[in-house]
Amino acid sequence: GENVEQHPSTLSVQEGDSAVIKCTYSDRASNYFPWYKQELGKGPQLIIDIRSNVGEKKDQRIAVTLNKTAKHFSLHITETQPEDSAVYFCAALGGGSNYKLTFGKGTLLTVNP
Amino acid sequence: DAMVIQNPRYQVTQFGKPVTLSCSQTLNHNVMYWYQQKSSQAPKLLFHYYDKDFNNEADTPDNFQSRRPNTSFCFLDIRSPGLGDAAMYLCATSSGRWGGYTFGSGTRLTVV
Repeated sequence: GENVEQHPSTLSVQEGDSAVIKCTYSDRASNYFPWYKQELGKGPQLIIDIRSNVGEKKDQRIAVTLNKTAKHFSLHITETQPEDSAVYFCAALGGGSNYKLTFGKGTLLTVNP
Repeated sequence: DAMVIQNPRYQVTQFGKPVTLSCSQTLNHNVMYWYQQKSSQAPKLLFHYYDKDFNNEADTPDNFQSRRPNTSFCFLDIRSPGLGDAAMYLCATSSGRWGGYTFGSGTRLTVV
């Protein structure tokens, strides 16, 4: 089955700096890669996603890049703000006929004012 | 507008006493999922329904059951909760392989 590795597990940045979180996946047939932000006591919220036919996608301060050859994808947050502090999860939707997301272990992002 | 609604937000149950968590959706998605998330861990898939077809994960304990009486509702039944079952339970939906997942806000289960 699919395996998703996520790094780093914790990330601390100063307000205004950029933050980058990286994930690798194992199933070459995976075709959908969402990123979720989870605040304490809440469910994961989709912040951006990318499909395997696209190399990069941007939404305001958030961007995701996908390298299918290397089987890795990254989340980039620019001009970070304290409210960006949360746990971020990457995930991959496996190939074949399954409908199951496999999650990375999460990154705790802290943005210091 | 909440599209995946979980009730209750917080549930306290006694050790060994059956408990049911509920999830409803207004998205008319084919697939509904139940995840268990323990502190500082990623969500772990317990099972999912594609329409009426139930799909159990191999490592989901028999203590966990699910029902989906119609498209909109899905229930998680824990027959005999143990202390190790205390966790956040997340419901999610999707329209299939290309449909984005949408999560509910979760139910925090405490076992006393």
